[in-house]
Amino acid sequence: DADVTQTPRNRITKTGKRIMLECSQTKGHDRMYWYRQDPGLGLRLIYYSFDVKDINKGEISDGYSVSRQAQAKFSLSLESAIPNQTALYFCATSASGTGAHEQYFGPGTRLTVT
Amino acid sequence: KNEVEQSPQNLTAQEGEFITINCSYSVGISALHWLQQHPGGGIVSLFMLSSGKKKHGRLIATINIQEKHSSLHITASHPRDSAVYICAVIRRETSGSRLTFGEGTQLTVNP
Repeated sequence: DADVTQTPRNRITKTGKRIMLECSQTKGHDRMYWYRQDPGLGLRLIYYSFDVKDINKGEISDGYSVSRQAQAKFSLSLESAIPNQTALYFCATSASGTGAHEQYFGPGTRLTVT
Repeated sequence: KNEVEQSPQNLTAQEGEFITINCSYSVGISALHWLQQHPGGGIVSLFMLSSGKKKHGRLIATINIQEKHSSLHITASHPRDSAVYICAVIRRETSGSRLTFGEGTQLTVNP
C-alpha cells in the first residue's frame, strides 16, 4: 500500500463550488505539505504543517485553506473554486528534526474547474 | 529570474546514451533533491544531497556547493527513463524541509 495517499485522484467541478482534497500518510511523519503544479511553472507550495497544531502559508495560499485533522491527515480546501485553480495538486510528507529531510509525495489529484 | 534553473528544458536521447541534466541555484541551501515524475504524474525522490556525489544504479547525482550547481547523470539510458526530472532545493534560511523547485527537464529516450 502507498505510504502517502490522496483522494480524489481526479475531480471536475464548476466555478464557485467548494472542494476538499484529502491526504493521508502512514509514514508517521510530522510534516506535511500541499503543492500545486502548473505547466511551465513547476511545483509551488500552498500550505505546510509541521505538526497538528502548526499551519503555515506557502507561496500561493490565497483562495485555499487547510486542516490538519491528525498527524496522518492534511486536507486542502478550495472554498469557491475558480478556473485558474485548475492544476495538479500534490501532498507530501517529511520527517521532523534538525537538518534536511527527504520528502515523499502522494500520487497527485488532477483538478479541473470549469 | 527563478531561484532554481534547470537545463535543458527538453532532452531527447537514443537508448544507451549518457545523459546529463543540470541544475543551478542562486540561494544558500541546506540540501538539494532530484525528483522524477512519470507520465502518470507521480513524483518519486531520487536523491537528496548536500555535498559530493551519490549513485543509485544507473543514476548519479553530484553537487558543487561553491558553484551552486548540481548535475544528474543517467548512464546507459533506457526508454523507461523517459520522465520529467525536477531539481528542488531546501533553502538554508527556511525552516524544516520546504522545497523550492525548478521547472523540470522533460527527458525522452527513444529505442
